[in-house]
Amino acid sequence: EVQLVESGGGLVQPGGSRRLSCAVSGFTFSNYAMTWVRQAPGKGLEWVSAISGSGSGTYYADSVKGRFTISRDNSKNTLYLQMNGLRAEDTALYYCAKNLPDPYSGSYLGYWGQGTLVTVSS
Amino acid sequence: QPVLTQSSSASASLGSSVKLTCTLSSGHSTYIVAWHQQQPGKAPRYLMKLEGSGTYNKGSGVPGRFSVSSSGADRYLTISNLQSEDEADYYCETWDSNTRVFGGGTKLTVL
Repeated sequence: EVQLVESGGGLVQPGGSRRLSCAVSGFTFSNYAMTWVRQAPGKGLEWVSAISGSGSGTYYADSVKGRFTISRDNSKNTLYLQMNGLRAEDTALYYCAKNLPDPYSGSYLGYWGQGTLVTVSS
Repeated sequence: QPVLTQSSSASASLGSSVKLTCTLSSGHSTYIVAWHQQQPGKAPRYLMKLEGSGTYNKGSGVPGRFSVSSSGADRYLTISNLQSEDEADYYCETWDSNTRVFGGGTKLTVL
């Protein structure tokens, strides 16, 4: 059974940093790209970042580029999101998701974790 | 990059059917769209998507009451025999190169 468990959320002051983790099980982690998606309170889903299975390819939404860094440790079956320079607008539930390859192109989000809440406030 | 447009809300009676629409922006009408369900207070869950061949791919445990279809730039999620647990937010998703896009979501109310 695929499981994705996020952790690391909490209250952070504006300008501060936080590292989120997503521990996975139930599949061969290194074979799959992974994604972070966030959801501000009462709002819709927003793609944040993605990383290839090997970790060699990383991609970011413009809203977090230069402040957030996605990484993975395939030996530990864990995905990370290092968030620096946090702003009030980064307040959200952060979900990790497993990408499943689409037979025609790219990939879709086939499995989601339960999310971890990051609140940026003084 | 593509833009996905969804109605903000929809409603239908228990036991009836509802068709939710997700519209792809101009120039992106051939893109594949996946659908996700988010029940109140829960994480999103992958439902299904229409493959380019016309077949569909369904997530684990998704009831047969859910189906997908398309016409031009419109992608549809149809839910038949509506149940109370179908009351949720429904998001469509697509992807392009190294980016991913979600629609704004449709809040479905089961009357």
